[in-house]
Amino acid sequence: SAVISQKPSRDICQRGTSLTIQCQVDSQVTMMFWYRQQPGQSLTLIATANQGSEATYESGFVIDKFPISRPNLTFSTLTVSNMSPEDSSIYLCSVEEYREGYTFGSGTRLTVV
Amino acid sequence: GNSVTQMEGPVTLSEEAFLTINCTYTATGYPSLFWYVQYPGEGLQLLLKATKADDKGSNKGFEATYRKETTSFHLEKGSVQVSDSAVYFCALSAPGANSKLTFGKGITLSVRP
Repeated sequence: SAVISQKPSRDICQRGTSLTIQCQVDSQVTMMFWYRQQPGQSLTLIATANQGSEATYESGFVIDKFPISRPNLTFSTLTVSNMSPEDSSIYLCSVEEYREGYTFGSGTRLTVV
Repeated sequence: GNSVTQMEGPVTLSEEAFLTINCTYTATGYPSLFWYVQYPGEGLQLLLKATKADDKGSNKGFEATYRKETTSFHLEKGSVQVSDSAVYFCALSAPGANSKLTFGKGITLSVRP
């Protein structure tokens, strides 16, 4: 199955700033997914990113807050903009592989102070 | 819409005890079903999956059978170990052009020596 490198693994950020999370896959994939896991909670899908088109956002998430880039079939970034303490979460990227299911990166633990 | 319901937690067991974690789902069509595990401080790992009715997924001594008649995918293990302590998520992926994972709330399992 695909191997996903996600970075940074963790960060502590000041409120009002932005953080860009990178996700690199060792094979070409059509769709990449970005999830948020708030403390003690399950995973919530933020958006789906296809190469060459704008990301598709789930209800409650907007592009201005979570801009996503997908410049090629092996890479994507998620930016958390104008952060507040409520954005403190684990952010994970994921890819879908034919017949394999979904593989996740190790996650980015974000703390906003 | 699609949804996954997991039994309420947390669950605490003694080593070598039998484990059952209930999971039921609601979905259109014929979804694929998954169990993911999140060890402390780590990202999500696929534990097992089943893609059609009556399929049994198994891995590391864990098993789950896709029961379409009861819309269930309960996770079982005959003898748990301390190293099984983690958070377990049931999830589904419904067929469609924009397939994505829908997660249950997750349940924390603690195994004491």
